[in-house]
Amino acid sequence: AQSVTQLDSHVSVSEGTPVLLRCNYSSSYSPSLFWYVQHPNKGLQLLLKYTSAATLVKGINGFEAEFKKSETSFHLTKPSAHMSDAAEYFCVVSDPLGGSYIPTFGRGTSLIVHP
Amino acid sequence: EAQVTQNPRYLITVTGKKLTVTCSQNMNHEYMSWYRQDPGLGLRQIYYSMNVEVTDKGDVPEGYKVSRKEKRNFPLILESPSPNQTSLYFCASSSGQGDNSPLHFGNGTRLTVT
Repeated sequence: AQSVTQLDSHVSVSEGTPVLLRCNYSSSYSPSLFWYVQHPNKGLQLLLKYTSAATLVKGINGFEAEFKKSETSFHLTKPSAHMSDAAEYFCVVSDPLGGSYIPTFGRGTSLIVHP
Repeated sequence: EAQVTQNPRYLITVTGKKLTVTCSQNMNHEYMSWYRQDPGLGLRQIYYSMNVEVTDKGDVPEGYKVSRKEKRNFPLILESPSPNQTSLYFCASSSGQGDNSPLHFGNGTRLTVT
């Protein structure tokens, strides 16, 4: 069985300071991992995805995430927050069950950016 | 443009009045899914479909039906809506090849049942 835990329901930062959104997962197999962003009144958009090729994954808008198997973590970071980063962020894990793709979502982390 | 289209964006209805939320994708994706989003609960999967005529229950299927008669369409049906189905609903699709294919989401349907 797979699961994902986003450790913070809300994260508040000042503009220009680093962002850290934490995600831990559990998976019986070799997982696929994703981060999605949801801006107000919008659908979810893919930020980045983990492939087995590299443990440090770069995404859009300056975000990146590091896959750490020993810690079963996939934390999302950005060196400098921008006001436009204020949104809901979802960590997602999936296991390749018989070749299919059935993802499990975390409960989300709301990122608040202060001027 | 590759997209997932949901309709309507907003819907207000009364208890017991059957409704359908449509979802269509133009990417020839095999996998389609419906989610509901509620505050503090994240996204919960209602139903999903691996291909035409193949559907399966997600985590919260009670009170919902789906059908997949064509590859591009995956409507969500509420035969007798109740107030606890008031929520924000998202349709999503992916190629579903079991690799790192991401989900593509529609813009959501906000449903209110009074």
